[in-house]
Amino acid sequence: GAGVSQSPSNKVTEKGKDVELRCDPISGHTALYWYRQSLGQGLEFLIYFQGNSAPDKSGLPSDRFSAERTGGSVSTLTIQRTQQEDSAVYLCASSFRDRNQPQHFGDGTRLSIL
Amino acid sequence: DAKTTQPPSMDCAEGRAANLPCNHSTISGNEYVYWYRQIHSQGPQYIIHGLKNNETNEMASLIITEDRKSSTLILPHATLRDTAVYYCIVRVGSSNTGKLIFGQGTTLQVKP
Repeated sequence: GAGVSQSPSNKVTEKGKDVELRCDPISGHTALYWYRQSLGQGLEFLIYFQGNSAPDKSGLPSDRFSAERTGGSVSTLTIQRTQQEDSAVYLCASSFRDRNQPQHFGDGTRLSIL
Repeated sequence: DAKTTQPPSMDCAEGRAANLPCNHSTISGNEYVYWYRQIHSQGPQYIIHGLKNNETNEMASLIITEDRKSSTLILPHATLRDTAVYYCIVRVGSSNTGKLIFGQGTTLQVKP
């Protein structure tokens, strides 16, 4: 079946611009996660959505970052007034509600800030 | 979540079994062991997970010691396509967030 889909796969933008990254989770998965991976670094948790519960935003690095999940499915991660340090691969993962279930990742959006 | 320790790199001959170790000496009773791998330019790929018992699927086997302080991921017949960074992660099954904390992992190089 279809996996986690992310778009765009690559995004190049100028410093100060806003960007939107999209994630389509696996059908039936109620949990959705955003991570980012900077060059040569491990994955850094950003935000977590589970059903209709309030999202866990504890990993968002600044108030320039926000995310929403409409209708319990598609999610959008928005970065306002981008900075060069925002350059990274942004990864989305989804899983079934049971927290013992594994997360399945998309291939990410590679964001480059000029 | 418990911290894990993995060797930074390992080599394996193509066709042989690859045994990747992981230490998690501070693991708690309700923490699961997960293994993921990441091939260059792709997102992490789930391999296998377990709590106490050994597990096997179409990709690999997971051997967890009786005291649960360490585990080994076994790729029975490594191929060149198995060259990747392998991550061992322990996570509380009932954690509110359920986020995964990735360490530096083990870079496995499968050689012809």
